[in-house]
Amino acid sequence: KQEVTQIPAALSVPEGENLVLNCSFTDSAIYNLQWFRQDPGKGLTSLLLIQSSQREQTSGRLNASLDKSSGRSTLYIAASQPGDSATYLCAVKNSGYSTLTFGKGTMLLVSP
Amino acid sequence: GAVVSQHPSRVICKSGTSVKIECRSLDFQATTMFWYRQFPKQSLMLMATSNEGSKATYEQGVEKDKFLINHASLTLSTLTVTSAHPEDSSFYICSASMGSGLRTDTQYFGPGTRLTVL
Repeated sequence: KQEVTQIPAALSVPEGENLVLNCSFTDSAIYNLQWFRQDPGKGLTSLLLIQSSQREQTSGRLNASLDKSSGRSTLYIAASQPGDSATYLCAVKNSGYSTLTFGKGTMLLVSP
Repeated sequence: GAVVSQHPSRVICKSGTSVKIECRSLDFQATTMFWYRQFPKQSLMLMATSNEGSKATYEQGVEKDKFLINHASLTLSTLTVTSAHPEDSSFYICSASMGSGLRTDTQYFGPGTRLTVL
């Protein structure tokens, strides 16, 4: 059974810092991996989706990498801003399945 | 594009009543819809997968008679929490996909419904 772990559970940084969020998964036979953002009491916003054949994806200040063999992904946020404060969720889709397995998320607070 | 809405956004009900939550895909046809629940500071847990016109597939440990799912059209799925109890209080999120089976590549998520059972 696929398990997804996210470290750290919470992170507080001053504005302007570059930061890295970590995601690990136990079963490397994944179809894709996705990073989401969730604001308090809200639904999910997809940030980046990496197919199993890809190594990384970039969108603006966000860069996500994938190392399938080691079961790891990182989300890099450059020049963090207070508006980046949210919970970031990592989810994997296993090959042969239609469903997503989520981690518990990293709660990020960027202070001005 | 690919917008998913949920209604209501929050609901408070008395123990023993039933609550219906709607999930709609506004600008696309959703062959597959997923229902999740999320407890505070916890991950999203998949409850069930529904395909239009067929019975939902429930995850292990989810009571299908308590959580009734209907996917009657390609734009609407409903989740009914029957005889709700305080332990059913949670954040319920739906997602919709244009594909089915292994072709559900991208799920578009709704804004969630906060259910509080008194």
